[in-house]
Amino acid sequence: EDQVTQSPEALRLQEGESSSLNCSYTVSGLRGLFWYRQDPGKGPEFLFTLYSAGEEKEKERLKATLTKKESFLHITAPKPEDSATYLCAVQATRDDKIIFGKGTRLHILP
Amino acid sequence: DGGITQSPKYLFRKEGQNVTLSCEQNLNHDAMYWYRQDPGQGLRLIYYSQIVNDFQKGDIAEGYSVSREKKESFPLTVTSAQKNPTAFYLCASSLEVAGTGELFFGEGSRLTVL
Repeated sequence: EDQVTQSPEALRLQEGESSSLNCSYTVSGLRGLFWYRQDPGKGPEFLFTLYSAGEEKEKERLKATLTKKESFLHITAPKPEDSATYLCAVQATRDDKIIFGKGTRLHILP
Repeated sequence: DGGITQSPKYLFRKEGQNVTLSCEQNLNHDAMYWYRQDPGQGLRLIYYSQIVNDFQKGDIAEGYSVSREKKESFPLTVTSAQKNPTAFYLCASSLEVAGTGELFFGEGSRLTVL
């Protein structure tokens, strides 16, 4: 069964304190791995797509990396406005369904 | 502005009543999706549609129904058969199902069963 597991469930950081979020996945054939940001009471907002191991994508203070079994979302010198829930999702080649993890709630303290 | 519009934002329903959530997009996307989100849970796929007049069940389709009569519209009906309908419902669209994985989401509809 295709599965996505994110850790930690929640993370509190001081402003400027860099860290990483983890997304482990099990999928029969990976079409793509995706990162989204979700603010409370809102729909998720797309951040990145990664297709193959070794690939990296960057956007402002965020950098996503991919290996054969997991992906990391690195947050460098975060600011309070980076506080949100970060969702990881995978799409399998078998049926093209997109499966989401439960997310990591990130809180950046000023 | 292009995007996805969901309505209503908040909805209250009595047990035994059907309710329909609206989802409209003006992005000219072929694929549309309905997800359900419960507190502390990931998004779970209810139904998706790749093209007009065609749709497929997701992982939790029981108690829900959809239609896709127009490219722009993908309404979701929560029927009385859905045992635990209180949740946050999200509609999304993409250029195609097997695309870049970039889903565009609406603002969501929060359904509460009284």
